[in-house]
Amino acid sequence: DIQMTQSPSSVSASVGDRVTITCRASQSISNYLNWYQQKPGKAPKLLIYSAYILQSGVPSRVSGSGSGTDFTLTISSLQPEDFATYYCQQSSSLPYTFGQGTKLEIK
Amino acid sequence: EVQLVDSGGDLVQPGGSLRLSCAASGFTFSSYEMNWVRQAPGKGLEWISYISSSGSPIFYADSVKGRFTISRDNARESLYLQMNSLRAEDTAVYYCARGKQWLVPSFDYWGQGTLVTVSS
Repeated sequence: DIQMTQSPSSVSASVGDRVTITCRASQSISNYLNWYQQKPGKAPKLLIYSAYILQSGVPSRVSGSGSGTDFTLTISSLQPEDFATYYCQQSSSLPYTFGQGTKLEIK
Repeated sequence: EVQLVDSGGDLVQPGGSLRLSCAASGFTFSSYEMNWVRQAPGKGLEWISYISSSGSPIFYADSVKGRFTISRDNARESLYLQMNSLRAEDTAVYYCARGKQWLVPSFDYWGQGTLVTVSS
């Protein structure tokens, strides 16, 4: 199975800050990388697929990059609604696996 | 509007069985692959099963293989997960998720989740 490792596990930031979350795959997954946002008590929401393509309705302050084994999710200017937990997921091969999550908290 | 509504979660004893359902609306259900993803309390996300739009092929995570069965009824626009031989470690919120097949597989719509608690 492909292991996905996110860092950091948690991060504190303020409204207006720029935040970057990284995700590393245990083997090359090309661009088969997706990012999800989850708020407490809610289902995950797809933010980015194919490493960098924004899902419809996701604000442009969110961006993704990377290929192979190393990927990043960046939020350029944090808004109050961005404080949540973020997960990366590889869809290169089954079983599809998720990172352990990064909790973005308000400083 | 795309909607997925999960149901069927309950408290069940170890070794017991449960059937989860996911009712779909707002899209052509028979054209989409579907998945089940679970989340143990306070933990991360775990993909557990996939079913193609036609019902075959089907795939499972090792953690549930041989115990869980995914199925679908395209006429009823519904997805199911039959869960047998339940264990304490199966305690989780279970989500159905629609497969988006554009460039790479992803899950673009999710149900609200249904809680399964396995405990005596």
